[in-house]
Order: sequence, then C-alpha cells, then structure tokens
Amino acid sequence: QKEVEQDPGPLSVPEGAIVSLNCTYSNSAFQYFMWYRQYSRKGPELLMYTYSSGNKEDGRFTAQVDKSSKYISLFIRDSQPSDSATYLCAMRGGGATNKLIFGTGTLLAVQP
Amino acid sequence: NAGVMQNPRHLVRRRGQEARLRCSPMKGHSHVYWYRQLPEEGLKFMVYLQKENIIDESGMPKERFSAEFPKEGPSILRIQQVVRGDSAAYFCASSPGQGIHQPQHFGDGTRLSIL
Repeated sequence: QKEVEQDPGPLSVPEGAIVSLNCTYSNSAFQYFMWYRQYSRKGPELLMYTYSSGNKEDGRFTAQVDKSSKYISLFIRDSQPSDSATYLCAMRGGGATNKLIFGTGTLLAVQP
Repeated sequence: NAGVMQNPRHLVRRRGQEARLRCSPMKGHSHVYWYRQLPEEGLKFMVYLQKENIIDESGMPKERFSAEFPKEGPSILRIQQVVRGDSAAYFCASSPGQGIHQPQHFGDGTRLSIL
C-alpha cells in the first residue's frame, strides 16, 4: 500500500465549477500537508501549506485536513482554464527529516 | 518557480555514460533536496543536503548515484553508468532551513533521456 493515495484523474470540469481534489494517507506521523500545482514541463509550485487538522483559505483555494480520517482536500472555487494542471498533494512528518512524500497527482482540465 | 535554477533542462546520454545534473538554490537557501519523477509515479525523494553535508540519502539508489552540495557552487546529482531505467525528470528543491515552516520551492527540472 502506498503511503499517499491520490486519484490520477483526469478530472474535467466546466469553467466556474468548484473543484474538489483529495488524498488519503496511511502514516499517522504526517503532520504537515501541502498542495503543489504542476504545469506541463514545469516544476511543482507550492499552493497551500497546512499543519495538522483544520482549514486554510487563500483566495479561491481552500485546503482541509482531517487527521482522524487521514484525508486531505483542496477546493478550488470559480475554476479557470488557467487552473488546468496536475495537482500534487505532499506531506511530511514532524521529525528531523525534511523529505516530502507525494501523491501521484491529479490531472485537472477546466473547460472554457 | 523562479529562483531555483536547474541545468541542463534536457540531457541525453547513452547507456554507460555519466550524467551530471546541477542545481542552484534560491538566494539565501542553504538546504537542497533532489526528487525523481517517473511517469505515473509522482515525485520520489532521493536526497537532502546542506552545504558540504548529506543529511538524508534514504531515497538514493545504493549504486551509481551520488550527490554533493559544496561550499561554493551548485549542488550536483551524479549518475554513473546510466541505464534506460534512469530516464526521468529530476527536480531540485531548496528551503531556507529545516524548520517546519520552511516550505520547499522547486526548480523546473532536468529531463534525462537514456538512449
């Protein structure tokens, strides 16, 4: 079983829709959760960074963490064609190691 | 992704040759991380370095792969005697330090192709 599971998609939505992206994980030691956006042939770009359970909002993006269910989500409101990309969840534990464990990514296409 | 510079962007090698990938971290960042991205597999951690020190190499293959981050100059990921299975995108990330609020910022990667 992978430490982090993420539906690869592709997910296709019309412009203006609310998008929900999700990851589940198995390691209860994970405490820090991130969402990265990756455009084709580019590197991952940090979107959201959250600690432990709860919600965090930044513009059209909301990140949710439910540690009891080992489940994290990213919501995108009023989706735009420019949001079309692969979205990667990533997480790490609270110890000395800084290594990130990534999901495989969900490919999102927002249709104009 | 401005700031973390990786070169070359594309690298073609024949089986048995050596590949050298370079990464210059963002200004003020002293921590460097290397990840490998294979199709359908997402990014996999390889190694974490500070200046002149390897902190965590738990993701590095035991043979043919090495990494360094010298006092001066970029971090280097070196792959000796490359094989077809080494074909992948290799990403470097950097952070100012190790702390929990020090997110990693990525470069645009080096795409390595083995003929």
